[in-house]
Amino acid sequence: SQQGEEDPQALSIQEGENATMNCSYKTSINNLQWYRQNSGRGLVHLILIRSNEREKHSGRLRVTLDTSKKSSSLLITASRAADTASYFCATDEATGANNLFFGTGTRLTVIP
Amino acid sequence: SQTIHQWPATLVQPVGSPLSLECTVEGTSNPNLYWYRQAAGRGLQLLFYSVGIGQISSEVPQNLSASRPQDRQFILSSKKLLLSDSGFYLCAWNTGNQETQYFGPGTRLLVL
Repeated sequence: SQQGEEDPQALSIQEGENATMNCSYKTSINNLQWYRQNSGRGLVHLILIRSNEREKHSGRLRVTLDTSKKSSSLLITASRAADTASYFCATDEATGANNLFFGTGTRLTVIP
Repeated sequence: SQTIHQWPATLVQPVGSPLSLECTVEGTSNPNLYWYRQAAGRGLQLLFYSVGIGQISSEVPQNLSASRPQDRQFILSSKKLLLSDSGFYLCAWNTGNQETQYFGPGTRLLVL
């Protein structure tokens, strides 16, 4: 299946440091998205990068996509305690279907 | 603006009992609707999706079923719950060919 995998599974950093999370997937995609989930809550969309893009920025977020390696990274700069959450990558399939396939997530803890 | 509701927020049910979880969307018409299950500390597994009233697609064989009796209502059901049905159930929506999905707050189900 297309389901992605994130690494690391868990990451703990000090406030102010940068956090980098990686995602790998298996088949061709139209786009890749990153979502955030606070504990016990629904997911919130953060950023989408298309298959013809290599890098995208949104505020303190930087996403890269390497379609040759089938991988993406999410960088959160100058982390804050409020960034503590689980982060998931989600891919579609380049078949035109509307479904998303989510990875297993990275649990980020930012220590104040 | 669009909003998505799920209820109940939490549910504790005995094995063998029936289940009905409801999801409704406001502020949009003819949404695509999705049910996901998230096991503890894991990623999301797509269970069902619907592109219109009465149209349900199942992604995985299981003890659950879904129905869409109205345009903006999506119901997840079971006739007899299993212990393995425990998890966090998330409803999501988007429209047309929109790539981003918007998630509800989730229902935590514990089957004892």
